Amino acid sequence: DAKTTQPPSMDCAEGRAANLPCNHSTISGNEYVYWYRQIHSQGPQYIIHGLKNNETNEMASLIITEDRKSSTLILPHATLRDTAVYYCIAQGGFGNEKLTFGTGTRLTIIP
Amino acid sequence: KAGVTQTPRYLIKTRGQQVTLSCSPISGHRSVSWYQQTPGQGLQFLFEYFSETQRNKGNFPGRFSGRQFSNSRSEMNVSTLELGDSALYLCASSLVGTGASWGYEQYFGPGTRLTVT
Repeated sequence: DAKTTQPPSMDCAEGRAANLPCNHSTISGNEYVYWYRQIHSQGPQYIIHGLKNNETNEMASLIITEDRKSSTLILPHATLRDTAVYYCIAQGGFGNEKLTFGTGTRLTIIP
Repeated sequence: KAGVTQTPRYLIKTRGQQVTLSCSPISGHRSVSWYQQTPGQGLQFLFEYFSETQRNKGNFPGRFSGRQFSNSRSEMNVSTLELGDSALYLCASSLVGTGASWGYEQYFGPGTRLTVT
């Protein structure tokens, strides 16, 4: 699995859009970009994933650059409940369900 | 649809003992993965089972083992417990299919917090 790099921490004002960057410059063609988050002491929660097209769901949007070397997770209207550690993971290939978690980005939503 | 359930939620064991943790995946999910989370090492992959077969394995000693039953429920076992095995053990299930298909998200349970004294 490709290595991902994320800033260790970020702050965002409540109600504003939170943009979390991720670098995955060594990603291979069959690897998806996944985003999970973990709220303190809970199991990680799936947010969104994509291969090369931008994706949107009820939780967030995922923007992947054309060369696929980086991506941005966007939480459009951050709330206090979005305070969590966010993990960006590059993983792929059938039969390879292993998620390799890095240290993630600790996002703090400021009231 | 019910989420991933793990039992027990909390467990205290003594060094040298063994422990068995249980995971019930989301109905219809056939892949079950196990992870260990500690403050020092973060989230680390233990192993993954699909259709009762271990398909992927992380870098953990042989004291850590698991199995999956025909109903996709899974158990993991840790023998000869050490203090360093104190951790949050997480189970995740996925609707991975057969054939050349992937890209399925994993759904995590609440975890079992194991304390070894």
